[in-house]
Amino acid sequence: EAGVVQSPRYKIIEKKQPVAFWCNPISGHNTLYWYRQNLGQGPELLIRYENEEAVDDSQLPKDRFSAERLKGVDSTLKIQPAELGDSAVYLCASSLGTGQETQYFGPGTRLLVL
Amino acid sequence: GDSVTQMEGPVTLSEEACLTINCTYTATGYPSLFWYVQYPGEGLQLLLKATKADDKGSNKGFEATYRKETTSFHLEKGSVQVSDSAVYFCALRVKNNDMRFGAGTRLTVKP
Repeated sequence: EAGVVQSPRYKIIEKKQPVAFWCNPISGHNTLYWYRQNLGQGPELLIRYENEEAVDDSQLPKDRFSAERLKGVDSTLKIQPAELGDSAVYLCASSLGTGQETQYFGPGTRLLVL
Repeated sequence: GDSVTQMEGPVTLSEEACLTINCTYTATGYPSLFWYVQYPGEGLQLLLKATKADDKGSNKGFEATYRKETTSFHLEKGSVQVSDSAVYFCALRVKNNDMRFGAGTRLTVKP
């Protein structure tokens, strides 16, 4: 069974440019998470979806970040405009639900903002 | 708030040496505790977990015991291999399956 798929794997952009990341969760997983992992740190949750509903976006910087999961499957995370401090690895994870289920992580997208 | 503090790295060991990576937590209630491993270029993979006090999680020769009295969940392995080289993250699960991760400990095992 395929794991969580993310693309692109790497992205280099100049500051003030927009960027988007895509995630395809494991089939049948209703809950999807976006995390940001800064260099030398653990992942920090940005947003959590239950099906197509964003149920926790309290850590998402809403002035420049947006996310969507229109059909409750794939998800896109966007940054517009990007800032130097946005350089990080953006991880997507999915789980069956939000009970006691294990979260499965994708390989991440490494973003470098110049 | 709920948080995890883990041993700073990097840790460098010779093959077949014993490994301990310390992890302590602060939480209200009784969280589930996890160790995740991140190999170079890959995402985080669940290594082991424990859901209540005195539970021992184990996988691939790694073990960790949920110690409520010391609020700890130290990762141990009796004999490490070169293939164990990776970054290890301690984590706890709070409400709604949200995870709080430690900063990670990089382990390098030399032949």
